[in-house]
Amino acid sequence: EPEVTQTPSHQVTQMGQEVILRCVPISNHLYFYWYRQILGQKVEFLVSFYNNEISEKSEIFDDQFSVERPDGSNFTLKIRSTKLEDSAMYFCASSDGYPSSYNEQFFGPGTRLTVL
Amino acid sequence: GESVGLHLPTLSVQEGDNSIINCAYSNSASDYFIWYKQESGKGPQFIIDIRSNMDKRQGQRVTVLLNKTVKHLSLQIAATQPGDSAVYFCAENIMNQGGKLIFGQGTELSVKP
Repeated sequence: EPEVTQTPSHQVTQMGQEVILRCVPISNHLYFYWYRQILGQKVEFLVSFYNNEISEKSEIFDDQFSVERPDGSNFTLKIRSTKLEDSAMYFCASSDGYPSSYNEQFFGPGTRLTVL
Repeated sequence: GESVGLHLPTLSVQEGDNSIINCAYSNSASDYFIWYKQESGKGPQFIIDIRSNMDKRQGQRVTVLLNKTVKHLSLQIAATQPGDSAVYFCAENIMNQGGKLIFGQGTELSVKP
């Protein structure tokens, strides 16, 4: 069964450093998303991406964040200068359409980002 | 002091019993709702969904009920099994917002054998 994969599973970084979180969405999907989950809290939307541009972004997704689809398979989230409060699980998701009964968002296993 | 968000509502049931998990959603413009299951250390896993033009949808051992009048969603799990132990999130989608899903706070389901 096709699945979304994410690397690394755990990233530890120093405050102020740049990190890139990587995702490989399901191959025939066209819509891509990043969410984050601070420990013990709910999942929060960051950004959605379609046709090489951002479709929607949340207030969390400020100028420190960027997304890119550098090739036909990867989808990345970059945080330019990490802050302590960026520590969270980051989930990538993909779908073959906007949410509807036939366009489920499939989530990856997540990358745990720890900022020291 | 207590930290907001670190104490999930919990539901503890006996194996074989039925479980009902409730969720209040926030936006009357939401047109699509999904229940996700999240096991420890994993990403959310789709369980069942429902469109706003329906009030009930059934899957295998799961049923979702939607009450738009009071903006309430519930997930019923029949014959709950130990493997159902997880955190359950409802999520809502608002049309024309780029596919953004808004997740609820989550409920931790614990199934006692």
